[in-house]
Amino acid sequence: EVQLVESGGALVQPGGSLRLSCGASGFTFSTYEMDWVRQAPGKGPEWISKISSSGNTIYYADSVKGRFTISRDNPKNSMYLQMNSLRVEDTAVYYCARDRDSQGFLDSWGQGTPVTVSS
Amino acid sequence: DIQMTQSPSTLSASVGDRVTITCRASQSISTWLAWYQQKPGTAPKLLMYKVSSLESGAPSRFSGSGSGTEFTLTISSLQPDDFATYYCQQYNSYPWTFGQGTKVEIK
Repeated sequence: EVQLVESGGALVQPGGSLRLSCGASGFTFSTYEMDWVRQAPGKGPEWISKISSSGNTIYYADSVKGRFTISRDNPKNSMYLQMNSLRVEDTAVYYCARDRDSQGFLDSWGQGTPVTVSS
Repeated sequence: DIQMTQSPSTLSASVGDRVTITCRASQSISTWLAWYQQKPGTAPKLLMYKVSSLESGAPSRFSGSGSGTEFTLTISSLQPDDFATYYCQQYNSYPWTFGQGTKVEIK
């Protein structure tokens, strides 16, 4: 069974940093592209970043470009999101998700980890 | 960025009703469209991809159609488990974008 488990969410002050982790099991992690998607309270999901299976190709949404860094460690079956210069508008539940066969749709999601940016 | 607009935002329906949700893209996305179902406090769940391909395990009462800029998700006979919020997502070009959602409520 595919499982994705996020961790690292917390309450942080504006301008602060946070590192989210996503642990994967039940599939060959190293062969899948992975994504981070966030969802602010009462809003639709917002895709924020993708990393290729090897980690060599990365994409970001403009809203996080230059502040967030996606990475992965295939031997550890893990993906990360380093978030710097956090803003109030980054408050959301952050999900990691698997991209099926690099096609672009997300077939498995974690349970999400909440990030609150507030003073 | 490609904007995805869903209508209606909220839909009130009864068990057994046929329900249709529309998703419009601000530019052509061919057939690179997925639908997700989300229930409160849980992650979105993939329902359909490439417009009309039903995800494994999803009930056959769900169907999708469209191409280019206009798409629909249809539930042929609404069941109690279907009361949820539905989102469309385009994966034609980065950044991938989602619609704002359609909440299907009990009438």
